[in-house]
Amino acid sequence: NAGVTQTPKFRVLKTGQSMTLLCAQDMNHEYMYWYRQDPGMGLRLIHYSVGEGTTAKGEVPDGYNVSRLKKQNFLLGLESAAPSQTSVYFCASSSNRNQPQHFGDGTRLSIL
Amino acid sequence: KQEVTQIPAALSVPEGENLVLNCSFTDSAIYNLQWFRQDPGKGLTSLLLIQSSQREQTSGRLNASLDKSSGRSTLYIAASQPGDSATYLCAVKGKSEKLVFGKGTKLTVNP
Repeated sequence: NAGVTQTPKFRVLKTGQSMTLLCAQDMNHEYMYWYRQDPGMGLRLIHYSVGEGTTAKGEVPDGYNVSRLKKQNFLLGLESAAPSQTSVYFCASSSNRNQPQHFGDGTRLSIL
Repeated sequence: KQEVTQIPAALSVPEGENLVLNCSFTDSAIYNLQWFRQDPGKGLTSLLLIQSSQREQTSGRLNASLDKSSGRSTLYIAASQPGDSATYLCAVKGKSEKLVFGKGTKLTVNP
């Protein structure tokens, strides 16, 4: 049972570089989410998707873009990484908005 | 703006003790409330989800209650074990898709 899989698990970038974080779920869930977790701030929603081909902004969307071309995948992109984007990024999915969200193990991203 | 507060921030108990973790939220117009546990360096594991129309949910040694009108939820853990040591997070969902999280209670159960 893979559930929600995030790749990569760790990454170090230099300021200005770009990268894409991949989230894959095998539960046929419609809803997918990207969060960031920072010390003292808790988890905050970056972007989310309510189905294939849809995306929407969350609480802290600036500096990030997302795409949901396939139902099972949700990609988070950083076009020009900044030190303020150093964080742990979590992906989650759920079958609908009133069902539990299932989380991946996270991607630890450091921007130097 | 919804705010979620968890008290205490940390709790240490001896093995076998029953304990209660608290969660409060400022806006009672919620759709559901979810309790998670997070182990160090890991993602979140969903423990219990309570719909706004429900008063409580139970799973094994865990019982979560919801009092929407007073903006409070509790997570009761019976007969605590060292394996229960983790950070416990409470999160509420309102009209938007956003889950608003508390900052968690770090629980340590001592053998």
